[in-house]
Amino acid sequence: GNSVTQMEGPVTLSEEAFLTINCTYTATGYPSLFWYVQYPGEGLQLLLKATKADDKGSNKGFEATYRKETTSFHLEKGSVQVSDSAVYFCALSDQTGGFKTIFGAGTRLFVKA
Amino acid sequence: DGGITQSPKYLFRKEGQNVTLSCEQNLNHDAMYWYRQDPGQGLRLIYYSQIVNDFQKGDIAEGYSVSREKKESFPLTVTSAQKNPTAFYLCASSMEAVYSNQPQHFGDGTRLSIL
Repeated sequence: GNSVTQMEGPVTLSEEAFLTINCTYTATGYPSLFWYVQYPGEGLQLLLKATKADDKGSNKGFEATYRKETTSFHLEKGSVQVSDSAVYFCALSDQTGGFKTIFGAGTRLFVKA
Repeated sequence: DGGITQSPKYLFRKEGQNVTLSCEQNLNHDAMYWYRQDPGQGLRLIYYSQIVNDFQKGDIAEGYSVSREKKESFPLTVTSAQKNPTAFYLCASSMEAVYSNQPQHFGDGTRLSIL
């Protein structure tokens, strides 16, 4: 079945450092891929998405490229801020898996001033 | 502003008691979902509904029940049969369930604890 694997956290960075959060997936069809962010005490918010191979999703300085050959969708940001501290979830949705969205376990990011 | 409203934000349940979590959306979305989130874990699907008066079990439906009498509302009842109900519950919606590139919109969650 479909699955999503994210790097374990927490990830602790200093402000202005470069961020990478790894995400790989297994899917039987051609999934759409998503990154969601969850701030403390809140629900998830869509951060970015990509719907086909080689698409790059981007938002608020975050980027991720849909790599079909490596089944990956790594999240990157060139310079993190304290306000980026949150939990980040990689997710996929695939028509062959029905409508279901499969979420990774989440990666907690701490950014120190 | 359109969005999803979950209430209450915090809820306490006594042993043997059923409790109901509210979820209302004004996004005109067809599909709605309930997830359970435990510390350090991802989201697990409890129930989902693709249309009014229809819903299906997700991966962990035992001990929970739902109804979908109106498009805007998808309440979740945590019954006394759910032996470990302490968790953060998230409601979500999406425009249409059948298209895989539709993202989900989430409420701010309800934190349920046992007294």
